[in-house]
Formats: sequence, structure tokens, C-alpha cells
Amino acid sequence: NAGVTQTPKFQVLKTGQSMTLQCAQDMNHEYMSWYRQDPGMGLRLIHYSVGAGITDQGEVPNGYNVSRSTTEDFPLRLLSAAPSQTSVYFCASSSADSNQPQHFGDGTRLSIL
Amino acid sequence: GENVEQHPSTLSVQEGDSAVIKCTYSDSASNYFPWYKQELGKRPQLIIDIRSNVGEKKDQRIAVTLNKTAKHFSLHITETQPEDSAVYFCAASNTGFQKLVFGTGTRLLVSP
Repeated sequence: NAGVTQTPKFQVLKTGQSMTLQCAQDMNHEYMSWYRQDPGMGLRLIHYSVGAGITDQGEVPNGYNVSRSTTEDFPLRLLSAAPSQTSVYFCASSSADSNQPQHFGDGTRLSIL
Repeated sequence: GENVEQHPSTLSVQEGDSAVIKCTYSDSASNYFPWYKQELGKRPQLIIDIRSNVGEKKDQRIAVTLNKTAKHFSLHITETQPEDSAVYFCAASNTGFQKLVFGTGTRLLVSP
């Protein structure tokens, strides 16, 4: 029972490099989200998707792109990494039924030098 | 947009004591309030949630109360144990999709 799987678990990038953080879920959930977690700031929503082909911006979308070509996968792309994007990134998924709990992945710890 | 404030930022208790964490929210349309526990280096895990049509919910040693008029909700942990030590986050949402807004977290330390 894999749940939400994120890869990689750790990554170090140089400023200006691009990268894709992968997220996959096997629960057939319609909703998927990306959050970043910074010390003292809780989790902040970057982008979210309510179904395949549909994405929207969250609270802190700048510098990130997403796509949702399948129900299972929701990759997050950093086009030109900046030190301010150093953070822990969590992917989450939930059923479309009203107010169902979000299930989080184990996170990706990303450092931008 | 929604804003969630959480207090205290740190809380130290002795084993067996009760712990209370409080959150306030700004959007009166918010209708879903989950609480997450996050151990060091781990993912956030849902421990309890409450919907706006309910004033209180209990699950063993954990309870959540909601005051819609005052726009605040609280997490109560009774008979605390060292394994309760973690960071706890509250969150609020007012949409069918959980566009959750999180509080800044409370670090709970339970000393034996």
C-alpha cells in the first residue's frame, strides 16, 4: 500500500538549474497538491489540481510549474532554481468527496546553493 | 484570503499533564479544520479533524473543539506521553477542495 510517493528524497541544486520533483499516488484520488514547508512558517500551498488536466495556483506559486496529465502523477517543476526555494516539499492527495483528509508523501528536501 | 494563527509556538508539559493548542481563523466561510502531527523528519499525519456543523470531537486522548462565533478551534491532549512530543499544525479550509491554510505550528515537548 504505497499511498503518496515522492522522489527524490533529497536534492542539491545550483542556482539557475532546473528540476522536477515527482509525486505519484495509487489511491485514485482526484485532488493533489504541492506544499512547501519552511521553518516557523508551517506549510504553504504552491499549486493544486482537482483532476487530470486541471491545475490552479495556491498561495506561493511563483517559480514553480505543474501539470496533471494522469490521475496518478502530479510533478512539480522548478524552471530556474533560486536559493529562496530551499525548502522541504510535500505532495498530498485526497478524495473528491467533501472534506476528506489529505494524505501526505514523505517529502523532498531541496537545497539550492 | 484565509489567515490562521496558532498559539503557543512551543509548549512544554510533564508526562500525564494535559496540553492545549489554540488556533484562530479569519474567514467565516471556513468549514473544515484538521489537525496534523509531524515528528522530526517525517510527513504530517492527520490526527483529528472537525467540520463546522460539529462543536466538539473526541478520539481517545485527543479532542478538538470549535467555536464558530469566535472563529477559533483548539486541540486538547489529555494524559500526555513522551511519544506525543512533535510539532502540531492546525489548518482551515472553506472549499470543497481542501485548499488548506496552515497555522505556523506548535512544538510540544512532553518530559517523562
